[in-house]
Amino acid sequence: QKEVEQNSGPLSVPEGAIASLNCTYSDRVSQSFFWYRQYSGKSPELIMSIYSNGDKEDGRFTAQLNKASQYVSLLIRDSQPSDSATYLCAVIKFNGYALNFGKGTSLLVTP
Amino acid sequence: DTAVSQTPKYLVTQMGNDKSIKCEQNLGHDTMYWYKQDSKKFLKIMFSYNNKELIINETVPNRFSPKSPDKAHLNLHINSLELGDSAVYFCASSSGLAGGTDTQYFGPGTRLTVL
Repeated sequence: QKEVEQNSGPLSVPEGAIASLNCTYSDRVSQSFFWYRQYSGKSPELIMSIYSNGDKEDGRFTAQLNKASQYVSLLIRDSQPSDSATYLCAVIKFNGYALNFGKGTSLLVTP
Repeated sequence: DTAVSQTPKYLVTQMGNDKSIKCEQNLGHDTMYWYKQDSKKFLKIMFSYNNKELIINETVPNRFSPKSPDKAHLNLHINSLELGDSAVYFCASSSGLAGGTDTQYFGPGTRLTVL
């Protein structure tokens, strides 16, 4: 079982809709959870981090964490064509340093 | 000013050659990382240094040798390059809090092509 799993997509949503991206992780001692966005040919950039159960909102983005279900999600409200990218879920273990990435979900927002 | 920079941006070389990639950060961070992104876009940790000390050394062929001359620099030297080494190599840095409650900032990447 891979440590961090994501549906590779592509996930296609119309402009203005809510995009919902999901991620599961296998290691229960995971402590920190991240969503990175990567445009084609560019480096990953941090969108959201979340460390405790519940929701965390930042502008159009909401991260949700459920440690009991080992599940992290990212909601993007009012999706824009500029949101079209690959979204990488990443996890850091307790007392760890390195990001363990999922394979990413490709999001396409159509005008 | 670029926070995390890498040189070169592109590297094309023949099998069997030895090459180096350099990384520098001006964020004052203590911890630096090398990640490899393969052709399927899977991003995986290779090495990490904290204050010039190696703290992560994943299962990577010993043809790969990282070197950290100081906290702001982390270089990657690759001996006897193979076709499978073709990938994008990303350097990253963070303040280095265990458990990851800090942000890792990525460099622009070095696209290595081995012919």
